[in-house]
Amino acid sequence: DAMVIQNPRYQVTQFGKPVTLSCSQTLNHNVMYWYQQKSSQAPKLLFHYYDKDFNNEADTPDNFQSRRPNTSFCFLDIRSPGLGDAAMYLCATSRGLAEGVAKNIQYFGAGTRLSVL
Amino acid sequence: TQLLEQSPQFLSIQEGENLTVYCNSSSVFSSLQWYRQEPGEGPVLLVTVVTGGEVKKLKRLTFQFGDARKDSSLHITAAQPGDTGLYLCAGSMDTGRRALTFGSGTRLQVQP
Repeated sequence: DAMVIQNPRYQVTQFGKPVTLSCSQTLNHNVMYWYQQKSSQAPKLLFHYYDKDFNNEADTPDNFQSRRPNTSFCFLDIRSPGLGDAAMYLCATSRGLAEGVAKNIQYFGAGTRLSVL
Repeated sequence: TQLLEQSPQFLSIQEGENLTVYCNSSSVFSSLQWYRQEPGEGPVLLVTVVTGGEVKKLKRLTFQFGDARKDSSLHITAAQPGDTGLYLCAGSMDTGRRALTFGSGTRLQVQP
């Protein structure tokens, strides 16, 4: 059974129209991450939550926001999608961060492929 | 600047061939993970290496962590089409609550 679930798998939006991607987890992990992955490239970390603590990567554009209303759910909001934001968006979870080997193993969802028209 | 550099970036080989993928850094990592990502799916953990010089085997895959914990390699013996995918190394640093650092990725294509 999937432990990190992303909905929808495919999302089409219009240029400039806000869009929200969702992620849920059944692992009760403390950390949730959002990555952007463009074709044939490695995932790029946008931000992560450790419990309620939000950690933004320095080069993440302001256009990208995130919410974590509870342990199980995390949302990625793109306020004004541009053509360059078309990508696969991956959600991942881990028990912890650099506190031990087993805790920082990341479990990924299947991703949401976003198209911007 | 990419902290973890993988090479090669792309590899296309015939079924039955052997290959090695490298993951290199100037930084020391407390542990290093290897993930495989198949098209249209999220990455899946293959292995974690922790000790300098450690070697782990997973069927036809052999993973090694460098003695100084700055580099790692993945060797695949007798590659099969099912090995096709994007291979990612990811390192964890000792200090602070920092997320994993992912490598630049190696895309492997195994032709039948």
